[in-house]
Amino acid sequence: DIVMTQSPDSLAVSLGERATINCKSSQSVLNSSNNKNYLAWYQQKPGHPPKVLIYWASARESGVPDRFSGSGSGTDFTLTISSLQAEDVAVYYCQQYYTSKTFGQGTKVEIK
Amino acid sequence: EVRLVESGGGLVQPGGSLRLSCAASGFTFTKFWMDWVRQAPGKGLEWVANINIDGSEQNYVDSAKGRFTISRDNAKNSLYLQMNNLRAEDAAVYYCVSENWYFDIWGRGTLVTVSS
Repeated sequence: DIVMTQSPDSLAVSLGERATINCKSSQSVLNSSNNKNYLAWYQQKPGHPPKVLIYWASARESGVPDRFSGSGSGTDFTLTISSLQAEDVAVYYCQQYYTSKTFGQGTKVEIK
Repeated sequence: EVRLVESGGGLVQPGGSLRLSCAASGFTFTKFWMDWVRQAPGKGLEWVANINIDGSEQNYVDSAKGRFTISRDNAKNSLYLQMNNLRAEDAAVYYCVSENWYFDIWGRGTLVTVSS
């Protein structure tokens, strides 16, 4: 199974500042035949189901604010919130769908 | 409106069984693979099982193999998860999810509690 490891486990960022979450997979999730990384990012707020933010590592889901961006390839990926807003307080998960499906352990984002 | 609504959760004793259901509406159910994803209280997300469009292929996380069965009824736009021989570690909120490679539509979940 592909193991997904996120860092950090939690972070506190001031309003308007940048938040960066890293995700590392135990093996590559890049499909060389189509040059796609099989990697998604989800946001989960307390008491709610997760919501997809980013798929194919960098494609933003419709309706997601452009302050959210995804980058990376192969085994190393990053979710960036360019200017943290109060409504972004949540737990963020990366997930690979290259071989079966596995999630990272989650990163809790709070306001400093 | 796109909706997935789970039902069937509840309290069950270790070794017992439960059948979860998920009613889909607002999208073409028959075009999508469907999944169950669970989340133990205060913990992260774990994919449990998925099923292909016509129900002929199912996949499971290792801990569910031989105990859980995923199925679907396309005529009723419904997804199911039969869970047998439940263990304490199966206690979680179970989410019904539609799959477009990634998980794009989530239900609100149904809580399964396993306790004597």
